[in-house]
Amino acid sequence: KQEVTQIPAALSVPEGENLVLNCSFTDSAIYNLQWFRQDPGKGLTSLLLIQSSQREQTSGRLNASLDKSSGRSTLYIAASQPGDSATYLCAVRPPRNTGFQKLVFGTGTRLLVSP
Amino acid sequence: SAVISQKPSRDICQRGTSLTIQCQVDSQVTMMFWYRQQPGQSLTLIATANQGSEATYESGFVIDKFPISRPNLTFSTLTVSNMSPEDSSIYLCSGGGQSYGYTFGSGTRLTVV
Repeated sequence: KQEVTQIPAALSVPEGENLVLNCSFTDSAIYNLQWFRQDPGKGLTSLLLIQSSQREQTSGRLNASLDKSSGRSTLYIAASQPGDSATYLCAVRPPRNTGFQKLVFGTGTRLLVSP
Repeated sequence: SAVISQKPSRDICQRGTSLTIQCQVDSQVTMMFWYRQQPGQSLTLIATANQGSEATYESGFVIDKFPISRPNLTFSTLTVSNMSPEDSSIYLCSGGGQSYGYTFGSGTRLTVV
């Protein structure tokens, strides 16, 4: 059974710092991996999607990497801002022949960026 | 990727009543799902909404409590029936296809009193 873990559970940094969020998964057979952001009491916003054949994706100040063989993904946030404060979730999608449709979510990292 | 409109955004309901949550997608999507997120916790999948047929429920969730409809590829509803305070949560719908990621609605914050 796929399990997804995120470290750290919470992170507090001053504005301007570069930071890395970690996601690990137990089964390397995945279809893709997605990073989401969730603001308190709100829905999830998709940040980056990495297909299983890709190594990384970039969007603005965000860069996500994927190492399937080691079961790891990282989300790099450059020059953090107070508006980046949120909970960040990673989710893996199993391959077609094993519950293809359903995402398996990590435990989340709560990020606080102080002015 | 698809944009999902979810409503209501929040509601306060009396115990014993029912609430229906709607999700409208701006394009046809293959898959739609319903999740529950209890305070301070991650998402728990309730069911997969199947177009034109009965939803597929996860362990611990039953149709009588959480009836789901999906009449077409752009719309789905979740009803929370006979509510109790334990049903107070954020409910989220999600949709997507095979070649792109999933997107989520903005969530429904339900409080049962």
